Amino acid sequence: ETGVTQSPTHLIKTRGQQVTLRCSSQSGHNTVSWYQQALGQGPQFIFQYYREEENGRGNFPPRFSGLQFPNYSSELNVNALELDDSALYLCASSSNTRYEQYFGPGTRLTVT
Amino acid sequence: EDKVVQSPLSLVVHEGDTVTLNCSYEVTNFRSLLWYKQEKKAPTFLFMLTSSGIEKKSGRLSSILDKKELFSILNITATQTGDSAVYLCAVYTGTASKLTFGTGTRLQVTL
Repeated sequence: ETGVTQSPTHLIKTRGQQVTLRCSSQSGHNTVSWYQQALGQGPQFIFQYYREEENGRGNFPPRFSGLQFPNYSSELNVNALELDDSALYLCASSSNTRYEQYFGPGTRLTVT
Repeated sequence: EDKVVQSPLSLVVHEGDTVTLNCSYEVTNFRSLLWYKQEKKAPTFLFMLTSSGIEKKSGRLSSILDKKELFSILNITATQTGDSAVYLCAVYTGTASKLTFGTGTRLQVTL
């Protein structure tokens, strides 16, 4: 069984740029959720995708957008990067019939 | 707004000690409470609790939920240095299909 994978591991971007982060869900899982984790904080929910549609969203501006593909993998796009977007971005996959979410190793984004 | 509060924020214990981590919550449309261990990056799933009073156990770790008082505890007995990590509590709510996390308890186990 393959776990959740994310790419890239680390990323450095300049303020105002755009970034795309990728996530492959665990086999058998059809739901993907994205979280932002600032240093010393718990993960904050960004949004969730199920059947290629957004299935819930947290308090993040529209410049945070996402996609889910037919193979259940997902992308998180962030436009017009701000310094405060520097964080660990975690992807979690789950089955729509169970509540447990399994996390990938994350992408560490640094905005300078 | 959904809220999850963990205490203490950090804890230093000696190997062999028993620790109790606390998690209280105030959310709408509660579905379940989950505990995760985060060592470097990926939070690792430990337990999911849905019903009050039923203890979940895995080795030296155990957890219980009180849905009347809106809290959960995570116990670790005979701690080892490998237990050093941040322990995250999260509540799954039916609204917005999201997990709401606490800020975590940082546990350090020393020799």
